[in-house]
Amino acid sequence: LAKTTQPISMDSYEGQEVNITCSHNNIATNDYITWYQQFPSQGPRFIIQGYKTKVTNEVASLFIPADRKSSTLSLPRVSLSDTAVYYCLVGFFVNNNDMRFGAGTRLTVKP
Amino acid sequence: SQTIHQWPATLVQPVGSPLSLECTVEGTSNPNLYWYRQAAGRGLQLLFYSVGIGQISSEVPQNLSASRPQDRQFILSSKKLLLSDSGFYLCAWSHGSNTEAFFGQGTRLTVV
Repeated sequence: LAKTTQPISMDSYEGQEVNITCSHNNIATNDYITWYQQFPSQGPRFIIQGYKTKVTNEVASLFIPADRKSSTLSLPRVSLSDTAVYYCLVGFFVNNNDMRFGAGTRLTVKP
Repeated sequence: SQTIHQWPATLVQPVGSPLSLECTVEGTSNPNLYWYRQAAGRGLQLLFYSVGIGQISSEVPQNLSASRPQDRQFILSSKKLLLSDSGFYLCAWSHGSNTEAFFGQGTRLTVV
């Protein structure tokens, strides 16, 4: 199983770039890496997904090294509204249809 | 466009009472469907997932059950609620491995 490991929490200040790293040492060849954001009392929301190298969208960038054993979510110039829990998911486990979240990283953005 | 509906938003139920939470998806067909529970301040625990009508996979032994009577309908049930069943229940759908998942707004269940 491609277990993921993330920091439990991170603090940042408005306007800074935030990088959250996820370790997934036994990622499978067909696995993609997906990041979700969750605000209190809401369902998680998709942020970005990638397979290798770098992916960028209007919200974030995802950096994946060649060995794919880790990935880094980069949030440029965070604001207070980026305070949330961020989850890293790697592929889908077992028979490729279940979807399990780890504990996530609680990001707190301070003024 | 696809939408996912989950209701009710909040629910207070006495211990020992039954439970039925419903989730429906619109705008897509043959989705994978998921039920999660989230305790206060904790991560999401996968309870059930379904890849088709009548096909349910259970992840955690408990007094909850799930059913999928129609392609885009997923129901979470219990015959007798326990205090430990309290939590934030989320329904989600996706089109399978390595694709984005979409979540409902959740149901906050308090068992008293």
